Amino acid sequence: EVQLVDSGGGLVQPGGSLRLSCAASGFTFSSYWMSWVRQAPGKGLEWVANIKQDGSETSYVDSVRGRFTISRDNAKNSLYLQMNSLRAEDTAVYYCARGGYWFEYWGQGTLVTVSS
Amino acid sequence: EIVLTQSPGTLSLSPGERATLSCRASQSVSSRYLAWYQQKPGQAPRFLIYGASTRATDIPDRFSGSGSGTDFTLTISRLEPEDFAVYYCQQYGSSPRTFGQGTKVEIK
Repeated sequence: EVQLVDSGGGLVQPGGSLRLSCAASGFTFSSYWMSWVRQAPGKGLEWVANIKQDGSETSYVDSVRGRFTISRDNAKNSLYLQMNSLRAEDTAVYYCARGGYWFEYWGQGTLVTVSS
Repeated sequence: EIVLTQSPGTLSLSPGERATLSCRASQSVSSRYLAWYQQKPGQAPRFLIYGASTRATDIPDRFSGSGSGTDFTLTISRLEPEDFAVYYCQQYGSSPRTFGQGTKVEIK
């Protein structure tokens, strides 16, 4: 069974940093693109970033480029999102998802709240 | 960036009725690279359809997708109680990947 478990969310002040993690199991992690998708409270879905199987290619939505970094550790079956210079508008539930095109499996999400 | 506009915003229907959801793109979506998702309150989205019309694994055949270019449709042939939710379309023909704002299917 495919499982994605998101963690690392919490309350952080504007300008602060946070690192999200996603633990994958039930499939060959190193064979798939992976992505992060977020959802602000009461709002729709927004794709944030994706990363190729070997980590050699990454892509970001404009609003986070230069502040967020997606990475992966295939030996640990884990996906990460390093978030720096956080803003109030980054407040959202962050989901990891399998795929770089469509998103077939999703984690349960982890809530990031940026507030003073 | 391709902007996806979904309509209507809310669809009020009764169980057993047919639901027709629209997704219109600001420019042509190459190769029908369009997906649909279902989301219930407090849950992660559920993947329904890719390639505009191919159902994902274990998705009931009452869900069907159609369309090409800039106009796409998700049809639920007969609504079951568990189908009342928010539905999102998403294009993956170009970067950034973008989602529509969602259509809520609610019980009338």
